[in-house]
Amino acid sequence: KAGVTQTPRYLIKTRGQQVTLSCSPISGHRSVSWYQQTPGQGLQFLFEYFSETQRNKGNFPGRFSGRQFSNSRSEMNVSTLELGDSALYLCASSLDTPGSGANVLTFGAGSRLTVL
Amino acid sequence: GESVGLHLPTLSVQEGDNSIINCAYSNSASDYFIWYKQESGKGPQFIIDIRSNMDKRQGQRVTVLLNKTVKHLSLQIAATQPGDSAVYFCAENAGNNRKLIWGLGTSLAVNP
Repeated sequence: KAGVTQTPRYLIKTRGQQVTLSCSPISGHRSVSWYQQTPGQGLQFLFEYFSETQRNKGNFPGRFSGRQFSNSRSEMNVSTLELGDSALYLCASSLDTPGSGANVLTFGAGSRLTVL
Repeated sequence: GESVGLHLPTLSVQEGDNSIINCAYSNSASDYFIWYKQESGKGPQFIIDIRSNMDKRQGQRVTVLLNKTVKHLSLQIAATQPGDSAVYFCAENAGNNRKLIWGLGTSLAVNP
């Protein structure tokens, strides 16, 4: 079965622009989580969606937002980009809420965002 | 070879040796722990998990040990292979908010 698909894989933006990243989870997975990964901070949790509802949110400013569609596909948006937003953005899906013990996260390959 | 995940982010071992990657977790209420492996250019990949009611769990060539007394988690890889070269992350979950808390990772380099 197909894995988690993230698009685009690479993108370059300039400060002040906005960006939308897309994630298609594994078929049947209802939970989608987003992470920001940088060399200095490691994996930072952004938010988690389950059945189109945001279940959990990390400590990121309001410029970072997301949504989930009825088919479980998810998008995240970053507005007014800053240089510090340059990172690898990872999406992960699971059958149910991550961390439950019975449903591990399956990650996509990520979208690498560079802000100039 | 051994490493402490947050204090020695790079571990270098010879092919065929056993590797031990350590992780100190923060929350004594955490009841679920998980190890992921991330190869260059890829997303993290699940290796093994363990619940707090266990102190050891084995997989294929990997063993996770949990010491709740000192809040310590380790991943042992037997007969390390070049394909094991990656960054290894531990993560904990306290169960209340269901969010995983991730370590910064340990880079494992396997020398042929």
